[in-house]
Amino acid sequence: DVKVTQSSRYLVKRTGEKVFLECVQDMDHENMFWYRQDPGLGLRLIYFSYDVKMKEKGDIPEGYSVSREKKERFSLILESASTNQTSMYLCASSRVSIGIRTNEKLFFGSGTQLSVL
Amino acid sequence: KNEVEQSPQNLTAQEGEFITINCSYSVGISALHWLQQHPGGGIVSLFMLSSGKKKHGRLIATINIQEKHSSLHITASHPRDSAVYICAVINSGNTPLVFGKGTRLSVIA
Repeated sequence: DVKVTQSSRYLVKRTGEKVFLECVQDMDHENMFWYRQDPGLGLRLIYFSYDVKMKEKGDIPEGYSVSREKKERFSLILESASTNQTSMYLCASSRVSIGIRTNEKLFFGSGTQLSVL
Repeated sequence: KNEVEQSPQNLTAQEGEFITINCSYSVGISALHWLQQHPGGGIVSLFMLSSGKKKHGRLIATINIQEKHSSLHITASHPRDSAVYICAVINSGNTPLVFGKGTRLSVIA
């Protein structure tokens, strides 16, 4: 089975801190995604990556950056954490299929509940 | 951008009931996912379909491309089916998923 591992289940940080959320997948997937999930808003895409060193902005990239130096690892960085970034963060990965990059089953990590105080 | 609407938002059922969750979208798609999220956060992909019907155990997913509508059915529901069910669509081309806001299902013994 594909495993997508997020480094922390719960994280508490202070306003202004730099925060790193790590995600590792073990199935050699090309696509990796970072979402945040808030009550009433559903899943919203922050950033995604189709290949090593590639990144593309999702719907809500402001205040975030990402890094994909190795195929299996996709990091989400909060440059200066703010209270409105308190949320559940979910990483996902999928294989690339010819023609339609995202027309493949998605595999999710367990999520990181981040609280910014 | 595609708009994805799910109904109902919340659903409470008695154990054994037949359950239907609906998903409608506004723009033509290439495929649709149904996902399940249990309390605690982990999300599992249940189905991906682009036409017709798929079945896995007590779960059945159908899609009508012309009507831009999909349904997820659960037969003989059980308390362990309690979860949030999320519909997500893939527009044509190389674009990421667009998610619905989810349906929270509670099955009572």
